[in-house]
Amino acid sequence: AQSVTQPDIHITVSEGASLELRCNYSYGATPYLFWYVQSPGQGLQLLLKYFSGDTLVQGIKGFEAEFKRSQSSFNLRKPSVHWSDAAEYFCAVGASGSARQLTFGSGTQLTVLP
Amino acid sequence: DVKVTQSSRYLVKRTGEKVFLECVQDMDHENMFWYRQDPGLGLRLIYFSYDVKMKEKGDIPEGYSVSREKKERFSLILESASTNQTSMYLCASRGDSRAGYTFGSGTRLTVV
Repeated sequence: AQSVTQPDIHITVSEGASLELRCNYSYGATPYLFWYVQSPGQGLQLLLKYFSGDTLVQGIKGFEAEFKRSQSSFNLRKPSVHWSDAAEYFCAVGASGSARQLTFGSGTQLTVLP
Repeated sequence: DVKVTQSSRYLVKRTGEKVFLECVQDMDHENMFWYRQDPGLGLRLIYFSYDVKMKEKGDIPEGYSVSREKKERFSLILESASTNQTSMYLCASRGDSRAGYTFGSGTRLTVV
């Protein structure tokens, strides 16, 4: 069975600082990996995804993530955080080639200080 | 713009009531999902459906049922609402395996 761990429940950064949110997954083969963002009271929006090819993927809002098979990780990064990035971030894993269910991490809440 | 629409943003129901949460997608997706989201617990899968009239239990199906009579609509039913079902409910659909989910805006249900 697949699983996802987001080790950081809450992260605080200053506006303009760089950001890295951690995600570790467990899956027997090459997984499909996703990062979502959720603003308060809203549904989840897809930031980026990885399923094959280049291990560094670019997403919306200036985010990127790097797939590292040796570390079973898919960390999300942004060079310079904006106050509007304050939200909750979820990493998710899916079985390769399947459109069935994703498994989500428990989320990381990001606070941005002015 | 493609959409997943949940019929209510906020609902308040009484204990013991039968509650219907509706979800409609306009993307012709085969797969639809219901999750509940609680602080500190992340998203937990309640039920999903991979075709009309087909359903499978997720991780926490107890106290819930679902209905999928048409491809575009997936309903979550709380047979007899209880206070521990107070939560945010999120519906999602998925077509291509590489596309991930498209989520609705969520329904915040309070059972009093």
